[in-house]
Amino acid sequence: DTVLTQSPALAVSPGERVTISCRASESVSALMHWYQQKPGQQPTLLIYLASNLESGVPARFSGSGSGTDFTLTIDPVEADDTATYYCQQSWNDPLTFGSGTRLEIK
Amino acid sequence: EVKLLESGGGLVQPGGSMRLSCAASGFTFTDFYMYWIRQPAGKAPEWLGFIRNKANGYTTEYNPSVKGRFTISRDNTQNMLYLQMNTLRAEDTATYYCAREVVTYFDYWGQGVMVSVSS
Repeated sequence: DTVLTQSPALAVSPGERVTISCRASESVSALMHWYQQKPGQQPTLLIYLASNLESGVPARFSGSGSGTDFTLTIDPVEADDTATYYCQQSWNDPLTFGSGTRLEIK
Repeated sequence: EVKLLESGGGLVQPGGSMRLSCAASGFTFTDFYMYWIRQPAGKAPEWLGFIRNKANGYTTEYNPSVKGRFTISRDNTQNMLYLQMNTLRAEDTATYYCAREVVTYFDYWGQGVMVSVSS
């Protein structure tokens, strides 16, 4: 299975720019997607196919990457962005999720 | 508005069975692959299985970790998705979500239902 590695946690101040990385153990082409999960809630889609912003998601969120290295960027960060962020690949079978990056806003 | 609403969770003893339901609304249910995904507390989501859409014959696929114990079905007349879980184990304890798949990613998730397997 394709392993997606994410940093466990980040802490940033409001107004800063934050990048959350996801590294795949093998190429996933551009089939990487990002979700936000706030405490006690279901995941919600932010970015699909590496760089496409889901409808209704603020333009502060963006995604980039291809192959094995992907990045979710939030610029500027707001207090409401406190959440865990998961990447998910669907190029290789079975689809897999990263372990998540918990983002704390100072 | 697309809505997915799970029901049927709770506490079950090891070795027991449980059926989860997911009521879908706001979209043409038969057009979409539907997934069940679970998430143990504090851990990443894990896909359990999916059922294809009408165009692909409503066939199913399962994660090997649950294959043979879990069964996914759908009632397209009622826009319902089901997950039948048998021979439950402590490690099946998690929040269970149904999700709509679009081109290999999940654009809508239900709010989730908790399943606890314990004696």
